[in-house]
Amino acid sequence: GAVVSQHPSWVICKSGTSVKIECRSLDFQATTMFWYRQFPKQSLMLMATSNEGSKATYEQGVEKDKFLINHASLTLSTLTVTSAHPEDSSFYICSATGVSSLGGYNEQFFGPGTRLTVL
Amino acid sequence: AQSVTQLGSHVSVSEGALVLLRCNYSSSVPPYLFWYVQYPNQGLQLLLKYTSAATLVKGINGFEAEFKKSETSFHLTKPSAHMSDAAEYFCAVKGNAGNMLTFGGGTRLMVKP
Repeated sequence: GAVVSQHPSWVICKSGTSVKIECRSLDFQATTMFWYRQFPKQSLMLMATSNEGSKATYEQGVEKDKFLINHASLTLSTLTVTSAHPEDSSFYICSATGVSSLGGYNEQFFGPGTRLTVL
Repeated sequence: AQSVTQLGSHVSVSEGALVLLRCNYSSSVPPYLFWYVQYPNQGLQLLLKYTSAATLVKGINGFEAEFKKSETSFHLTKPSAHMSDAAEYFCAVKGNAGNMLTFGGGTRLMVKP
């Protein structure tokens, strides 16, 4: 089946530093990737949608200059949290959809998530 | 526009009892519907999905869900709860065009011994 990985699984950083999170599709071409944020005991909040080779589309209220998304290849998208602050501490989850050798997918495949803690 | 409502943010059942997690949706187009399970500090795992084929969908771990258009519902059930079913469950809807998912608020299932 379609597998999505994330790296790192957890990261602790100091306030003011930047953190990069990678999301990879391991066995399919991810034409579209999504980035979600999840606060404790809450649902997933979509931050942005990125199509390979295009600029990401951000949801209302998400700062595009703070959360930089790059989707330069069909298997990799990165989320960079710039000048991170404690309020950015959260669980970040990516998902991907696209095509396999059998055709297009009609669902998203989720990565295992990255726990970011900003001190 | 699409939306999902999960009734009951917390559901508690005894081990061996029926599990019923409720999900109601609104969609202007025929929807795709999904149930996901999330264990602590993990991503989402797909339990089952409805894609306009059979209205009764069977998923993994003994779960199933029935799509009822007249009630705009897609409730998740399992005949007999197991301790390992304790987790957070999310219902989500997707229109038939595009890939964006809309999630419900989630339901935490607790299983008592």
